[in-house]
Amino acid sequence: EVQLVESGGGLVNPGGSLRLSCAASGFTFSTAWMNWVRQAPGEGLEWVGRIKTKTDGETTDYAAPVKGRFAISRDDSKNTVYLQMNSLKTEDTAVYYCITKNFWGQGTLVTVSS
Amino acid sequence: QAVVTQEPSLTVSPGGTVTLTCGSSTGAVTSNHYPYWFQQKPGQAPRTLIYDTSNKHSGTPARFSGSLLGGKAALTLSGAQPEDEAEYYCLLSYNGARVFGGGAKLTVL
Repeated sequence: EVQLVESGGGLVNPGGSLRLSCAASGFTFSTAWMNWVRQAPGEGLEWVGRIKTKTDGETTDYAAPVKGRFAISRDDSKNTVYLQMNSLKTEDTAVYYCITKNFWGQGTLVTVSS
Repeated sequence: QAVVTQEPSLTVSPGGTVTLTCGSSTGAVTSNHYPYWFQQKPGQAPRTLIYDTSNKHSGTPARFSGSLLGGKAALTLSGAQPEDEAEYYCLLSYNGARVFGGGAKLTVL
């Protein structure tokens, strides 16, 4: 059974940084492209970015609002994907989901506020 | 960045059929946009219904189907059930980037 468990969310000041983790199990992690999606309170879904496999060069792509501030990485030895978020803005407040192989995690809430 | 459009809201009668559509500001939606459809109920994480235009994810009820229709991606629900009342999102791929539609609230009434 595929399981994705996000962690690392919390309250952070504007301009601050936070690193989210997504621990995966139930499939061969090293062969999976991993995505991050977010949802601001009461709003729709927004794609954040994606990392390909090592075989595919671990290429990353990002949505325009986060490009240059967010970075996705992966550790295949730990079956974990990360989302490093820097220069956070109030508009980054959202539940962040990790998705792969059509399965979703339950999300972790990030609140950017002073 | 491309804009993906969905009907903001639709209503279907129990047992009825409804089609939700997903358009692209860049032109016709094709299989090369790898359309996805997701369902989200209040307080829950989204779940995948359809991927790559018409493939059902495991657990997707047979009453849901995906297709391309009139230059858009389409999600058809045949035989709506009360539990199908939810928000539905489509997702399109654009050369590496992906863009969600704004969501469609489906009411079963």
